[in-house]
Amino acid sequence: DQQVKQNSPSLSVQEGRISILNCDYTNSMFDYFLWYKKYPAEGPTFLISISSIKDKNEDGRFTVFLNKSAKHLSLHIVPSQPGDSAVYFCAASDHVNYFGNEKLTFGTGTRLTIIP
Amino acid sequence: EAQVTQNPRYLITVTGKKLTVTCSQNMNHEYMSWYRQDPGLGLRQIYYSMNVEVTDKGDVPEGYKVSRKEKRNFPLILESPSPNQTSLYFCASSSARTYYEQYFGPGTRLTVT
Repeated sequence: DQQVKQNSPSLSVQEGRISILNCDYTNSMFDYFLWYKKYPAEGPTFLISISSIKDKNEDGRFTVFLNKSAKHLSLHIVPSQPGDSAVYFCAASDHVNYFGNEKLTFGTGTRLTIIP
Repeated sequence: EAQVTQNPRYLITVTGKKLTVTCSQNMNHEYMSWYRQDPGLGLRQIYYSMNVEVTDKGDVPEGYKVSRKEKRNFPLILESPSPNQTSLYFCASSSARTYYEQYFGPGTRLTVT
C-alpha cells in the first residue's frame, strides 16, 4: 500500500504565479516530512523539510505546510520560475531511533512545468 | 566537490548474467542506501547500510545483494538479473545526524532483456 501519495502526476503553472504541490500520507507514525526535487538525468536533491511538531517551514521561495489532523502536506513555490520545472517527490520518515532504519518513504512524484 | 557517483550510468544486459552497480561517496557519510524508481511507484528502498559491515533489507530486497566493506563504497549486486529488475536505480548517502537529507547519485538505468 502506498503510505505517501501524490495524487497529481503533473501540474502546469504560469511563471510568477504560485505553485502548490500536495501530498497525503496514511501512517500516523511519520514524524518528519521532506520534499525532494529531481531534474531529468539527475538524482533527487533535498529541497525542504518539516518536523511534525511544526505546521510551517519557510526557505526563500519555498514553504512547506503540514496539517497533521488531515495527514496532508503541501509545498508552495512563490513566485514560480522556469528553473522550478522538475519532478517533486514528497517523502516521510517514521524515525524510531538512531539505530533504526532511518528510512524515507517516497511518494510517486508530481511533474511541475512552469510556463514562461 | 561533495558527490555520490554511480557506475555504470546505463546498462543493458541479459537475463541471468551477474552484474554489479558501484556506488561511492566522498562525504564520509555513515548511511548509504539503494533505491529503485519505477513509473507509478516512486522511489522504493532496496537495501540500506548504517555503517561499515552493517546492512539490512529495505522494502524490495528480493534479487539483490549488497556489501559495505569500506565506508565510501556500497555496491549493488544482481546475481541473476531478471526483466522485472529493469528500472532506474539510485544510490544515496547521508550523515547519521541528518539521515533524512540524503544525497543521491545520478542514477543507473538498467535494462534486462
